[in-house]
Amino acid sequence: NAGVTQTPKFQVLKTGQSMTLQCAQDMNHEYMSWYRQDPGMGLRLIHYSVGAGITDQGEVPNGYNVSRSTTEDFPLRLLSAAPSQTSVYFCASSYHDTQYFGPGTRLTVL
Amino acid sequence: DAKTTQPTSMDCAEGRAANLPCNHSTISGNEYVYWYRQIHSQGPQYIIHGLKNNETNEMASLIITEDRKSSTLILPHATLRDTAVYYCIVRISFYTGTASKLTFGTGTRLQVTL
Repeated sequence: NAGVTQTPKFQVLKTGQSMTLQCAQDMNHEYMSWYRQDPGMGLRLIHYSVGAGITDQGEVPNGYNVSRSTTEDFPLRLLSAAPSQTSVYFCASSYHDTQYFGPGTRLTVL
Repeated sequence: DAKTTQPTSMDCAEGRAANLPCNHSTISGNEYVYWYRQIHSQGPQYIIHGLKNNETNEMASLIITEDRKSSTLILPHATLRDTAVYYCIVRISFYTGTASKLTFGTGTRLQVTL
């Protein structure tokens, strides 16, 4: 199993640009999440999904959209990037009480 | 979810046991204690979790006090590869709570040295 994969690993955007961060898992997990981690801080939940077709907001959802059309994929969309969205983004999938995290996407918004 | 308190940083000599404490004095009866770690620039990694009994797996041991207000994660023989930030998280079980939500604090930065 590849586990949880994320692309790209690094991305630089200009303010106002949009982009999609990709996340995929091959473990057939129903639950998936997106977190962001700012320097020196813990992870904060952006959005999560309990299964295909079902998504919900976490604690910092503003400026981000998600969709879950398949069990495997859970993309995160930035509609109009802002410097405040400069961060490292982690995707995770869950099985029972264990979360499996991807390697992260480091995003810089200029 | 209950709040946790951890020391900001700790050092440990390679080969020795690393004991990482966590206070969670407001823990509720149905809340579990989870430990994750994050090695520099990588995604967090699950280590262990427990409710009230001590737990052990191939990575670590978790000791929870009888009143459940604190716990200790033990890495029995720390190696340089164990250098990471360790997060203690308290939350209700996956089966009964908000799906997939883990509240990460700032954790303990463990430095393992030669």
